[in-house]
Amino acid sequence: EAQVTQNPRYLITVTGKKLTVTCSQNMNHEYMSWYRQDPGLGLRQIYYSMNVEVTDKGDVPEGYKVSRKEKRNFPLILESPSPNQTSLYFCASSPFMRQELNQPQHFGDGTRLSIL
Amino acid sequence: EDQVTQSPEALRLQEGESSSLNCSYTVSGLRGLFWYRQDPGKGPEFLFTLYSAGEEKEKERLKATLTKKESFLHITAPKPEDSATYLCAVSGGSQGNLIFGKGTKLSVKP
Repeated sequence: EAQVTQNPRYLITVTGKKLTVTCSQNMNHEYMSWYRQDPGLGLRQIYYSMNVEVTDKGDVPEGYKVSRKEKRNFPLILESPSPNQTSLYFCASSPFMRQELNQPQHFGDGTRLSIL
Repeated sequence: EDQVTQSPEALRLQEGESSSLNCSYTVSGLRGLFWYRQDPGKGPEFLFTLYSAGEEKEKERLKATLTKKESFLHITAPKPEDSATYLCAVSGGSQGNLIFGKGTKLSVKP
C-alpha cells in the first residue's frame, strides 16, 4: 500500500531533550515536506526537500533541522525542543515539483508532540 | 506576500442542501491550487488539483473551479459523511513552497 509513515504518532517530552520524528514514504517520490498544524493558524510548512541532499526552509523553520540522505526518508529533528513547538506535525511527499507544474502532496497521519 | 484565505470558517448544512466553499489567493506565478479534505485525527487527503483559470474538476458530489483570484468547492446534495474540514493550498513563488488556508469546517446534519 502506497503511504507516508510517521513515527512516533504521539510523544510527550521535556524541554531541551533532543528528539527525532521519522518519516518514510514507499512511493519513490522525489519531494518531501514537513508541516505543523496549530489551532487558528492552519498548516504551515517547516522544511521541504526537492530531492536527495537538497533541502530548503519553509515558512517556520526556526528550531528545526532536517536531512535527506535517502529518497524514502526525511526525518525532522528538534535539537532543543521548547513548549512553543508543541503541535501536530505532518510529513508529506509528492512525485516531483517542477518549474511549471506541481504535483499534489500525500500526507502521513501526523505526530502529536507535547513538550513540557 | 503569498496568501490564501478560505471562507466561511465553518458551514452547517442539512443533508441535501447544496453550497460552495471559497478559497481566495494571491500568489506570484501559480503552479497549482489544491483542495484537501481532513478528518479529525488524520492527515489531509488529496481531492483535486487545478492549474489554470477556467479549469474544473469533479468527483462524486464535489466540484472544484478556478479563476485568476479564487477557487470554489461546490458540494451538491451533501451527505453526513461529507462532514470534514476542507483545506485549500496554493503552490507558487518559491518552487517547493506550499501555502495553506485555514480551512472550512463543514458539518452536514441528517
